Amino acid sequence: GQNIDQPTEMTATEGAIVQINCTYQTSGFNGLFWYQQHAGEAPTFLSYNVLDGLEEKGRFSSFLSRSKGYSYLLLKELQMKDSASYLCAVRDRRDNFNKFYFGSGTKLNVKP
Amino acid sequence: GAGVSQTPSNKVTEKGKYVELRCDPISGHTALYWYRQSLGQGPEFLIYFQGTGAADDSGLPNDRFFAVRPEGSVSTLKIQRTERGDSAVYLCASSLNRQETQYFGPGTRLLVL
Repeated sequence: GQNIDQPTEMTATEGAIVQINCTYQTSGFNGLFWYQQHAGEAPTFLSYNVLDGLEEKGRFSSFLSRSKGYSYLLLKELQMKDSASYLCAVRDRRDNFNKFYFGSGTKLNVKP
Repeated sequence: GAGVSQTPSNKVTEKGKYVELRCDPISGHTALYWYRQSLGQGPEFLIYFQGTGAADDSGLPNDRFFAVRPEGSVSTLKIQRTERGDSAVYLCASSLNRQETQYFGPGTRLLVL
């Protein structure tokens, strides 16, 4: 598979900003996705980057640098409900097929 | 419309038994994926269907695992002679086509005793 690395756990304060980093190595990069997963629930789609730069979506932004194999998810104005795991996933294109590789997830704890 | 649904939501079985896990993708989605997720880990790819055919089954861990999608919609993941190590959450995801974002179902929590 691909090497996808993200921190295991982070803690931040309600109302603050937090940045979750993800590094990856892949030979057929075809997009990077961020998913949010609350405990015991399915992952839900947050954002998608295929070109370099920043994609903003309300309180969530995601950045990609393909040359560095690096992405981050930025969460602003943190709320208690943002406590969840955040999964970085890389889409790799081989043999005319896209395969997704997920990181182990970053567990974010938002404290009052 | 409705999202991806999976049944059962929980399954407890004994070692050596056979289990079937079902996935109903979002209507009109041609691509369907099965993943397995262990505690504290990200989803691990098992198999991908485009329409009725398995385009890539390279993630299936061994020949005890098999999946079908006979009519290009509902899919069933079948596990023979279950082992305790098969215990995990089995997630299904679908997308409009292979280029689009995947949407996940709630998963089936399989526990093999």
